[in-house]
Amino acid sequence: SQQGEEDPQALSIQEGENATMNCSYKTSINNLQWYRQNSGRGLVHLILIRSNEREKHSGRLRVTLDTSKKSSSLLITASRAADTASYFCATESARNQFYFGTGTSLTVIP
Amino acid sequence: DGGITQSPKYLFRKEGQNVTLSCEQNLNHDAMYWYRQDPGQGLRLIYYSQIVNDFQKGDIAEGYSVSREKKESFPLTVTSAQKNPTAFYLCASSRNLDWLGNQPQHFGDGTRLSIL
Repeated sequence: SQQGEEDPQALSIQEGENATMNCSYKTSINNLQWYRQNSGRGLVHLILIRSNEREKHSGRLRVTLDTSKKSSSLLITASRAADTASYFCATESARNQFYFGTGTSLTVIP
Repeated sequence: DGGITQSPKYLFRKEGQNVTLSCEQNLNHDAMYWYRQDPGQGLRLIYYSQIVNDFQKGDIAEGYSVSREKKESFPLTVTSAQKNPTAFYLCASSRNLDWLGNQPQHFGDGTRLSIL
């Protein structure tokens, strides 16, 4: 399976701290995407990083990609209680087919 | 506003019954997907469709069926052959690949299916 694996499975931090979660995958990719899911809701796309990119920023989000290690990290800076959610990485295996990891559950304590 | 609408939000199935989950999008996206999400697991692909009147099986298609008669609609039927249907079902859509690779997926808010 090309399914990504997020690490850690669960993360609890204080508001204002930074949160880092990691994703590892098994085969070569065209791009890697990060999504967020609030409890009982659908996933929301956060950021896409292509295989020829090493780092990408979007607001308080910073994503890195290391294709040699087949890994990516998502950093959320200055976390807020509203960031509490599950975060998933997704990779492409074939045309228009995605594989999602098992997710990191982030809790930000006010 | 454009988006994806899944209905119903909650659905209960009796033994031996087929049930159909609705997914409608007004984003003018070509590709649509159905995923199943179980507690503690990631999303698993059931079926996907890149164009009208065409669809492919994902990793866990057994016990499910789909149709794609219109670009906007991609209903999923959970048949009686699916012995463990209790899960959270998510529908998504995206533009087809550009020359650089995948497009982001847009998700509905899911249907939670339970067995009576």
